[in-house]
Amino acid sequence: QKEVEQNSGPLSVPEGAIASLNCTYSDRGSQSFFWYRQYSGKSPELIMFIYSNGDKEDGRFTAQLNKASQYVSLLIRDSQPSDSATYLCAVNEGGKLIFGQGTELSVKP
Amino acid sequence: GAVVSQHPSWVICKSGTSVKIECRSLDFQATTMFWYRQFPKQSLMLMATSNEGSKATYEQGVEKDKFLINHASLTLSTLTVTSAHPEDSSFYICSARPGDGELFFGEGSRLTVL
Repeated sequence: QKEVEQNSGPLSVPEGAIASLNCTYSDRGSQSFFWYRQYSGKSPELIMFIYSNGDKEDGRFTAQLNKASQYVSLLIRDSQPSDSATYLCAVNEGGKLIFGQGTELSVKP
Repeated sequence: GAVVSQHPSWVICKSGTSVKIECRSLDFQATTMFWYRQFPKQSLMLMATSNEGSKATYEQGVEKDKFLINHASLTLSTLTVTSAHPEDSSFYICSARPGDGELFFGEGSRLTVL
């Protein structure tokens, strides 16, 4: 059973701080990785995807991938209260997305 | 961007009845759609892959006779929860992608079985 693991949290950070969200995956052959944000009662929305080792930046968001360690992370700079949500890590397995359990982030004003 | 629409957004039904949820790709054709289920405070669990013109592929542990999937056209997949029971109450979400692009999610359908 291929697995995607996340710390369920909640992770609480003050407004303006950097939030760091982590994810590990079990299938060493996985090639593409996704971060989704899900507000309560809503469907997930894509924040970023990453295929290559290293960092990928998009605005306040940076995704980091280390395939050797089977680890992918999401950094949110200058965190805002509106970033408070559950963040889901997902791994592409043959065209299907396998999700982690999500990390609940709370940004305190 | 591409849009995936689900209907109904929420439904309440009596135990033992069947409920149908529709998933439509509004501006692209989708030969494959995915159905997920999410219980409160839990992650999305893939239930099945819906294939246009052929049988759906179900994930391990998902009863194909209970969760009927029909993908009759390139823009519509339906999930029917047959003989629903309270333990089937959940948030059901479909997703689809145009080609090999980004996966888009529907708005989700919240099912409550009394």
